[in-house]
Amino acid sequence: SAVISQKPSRDICQRGTSLTIQCQVDSQVTMMFWYRQQPGQSLTLIATANQGSEATYESGFVIDKFPISRPNLTFSTLTVSNMSPEDSSIYLCSVERVPETQYFGPGTRLLVL
Amino acid sequence: AQSVTQLGSHVSVSEGALVLLRCNYSSSVPPYLFWYVQYPNQGLQLLLKYTSAATLVKGINGFEAEFKKSETSFHLTKPSAHMSDAAEYFCAVRHTGANSKLTFGKGITLSVRP
Repeated sequence: SAVISQKPSRDICQRGTSLTIQCQVDSQVTMMFWYRQQPGQSLTLIATANQGSEATYESGFVIDKFPISRPNLTFSTLTVSNMSPEDSSIYLCSVERVPETQYFGPGTRLLVL
Repeated sequence: AQSVTQLGSHVSVSEGALVLLRCNYSSSVPPYLFWYVQYPNQGLQLLLKYTSAATLVKGINGFEAEFKKSETSFHLTKPSAHMSDAAEYFCAVRHTGANSKLTFGKGITLSVRP
């Protein structure tokens, strides 16, 4: 398995501002993933972050809105930019440790007013 | 393309009763299949996974699931529900190739009545 931490665990933000979410893993991993879980919904993949290269974004997500950094093999950040109430969601990071198996962090609960 | 169908949004059982949560998948190749659980205000926890070994997979907390290729199903069961099993359950599928994505079903809420 994997021990994954996220900061902050929750936040309340004003529209038009930005929030950076941190994801820390207990040991090195090649691939890290960022997901969004809107209220009452399932998980949607935002992007895949590999160390040393630009993140790969899924359809409907763009780098200007969700910039991602991956400075090393144990850490990544996701920024939610110019937030609106529609960005209120749980944001989760995950890693692929054992082949083909993803493990998830505790999530960041974001409310945008 | 791969997809997962979880019929219904809510299942309610009595404590001690059988839990059955259904999951059907669509995949052009034999997939890997997963069940995750999300307790209130927490992230996702892996319950169990099928990766082409034994078709009956045992997971944590007394849960198990059976891969049935002929029915394209991977239903989750537990013989006796406990109050602590109340949570959201997600079925997920991914292909076996590198860089394949994990696709989630819409999830199902399990309630356990005293």
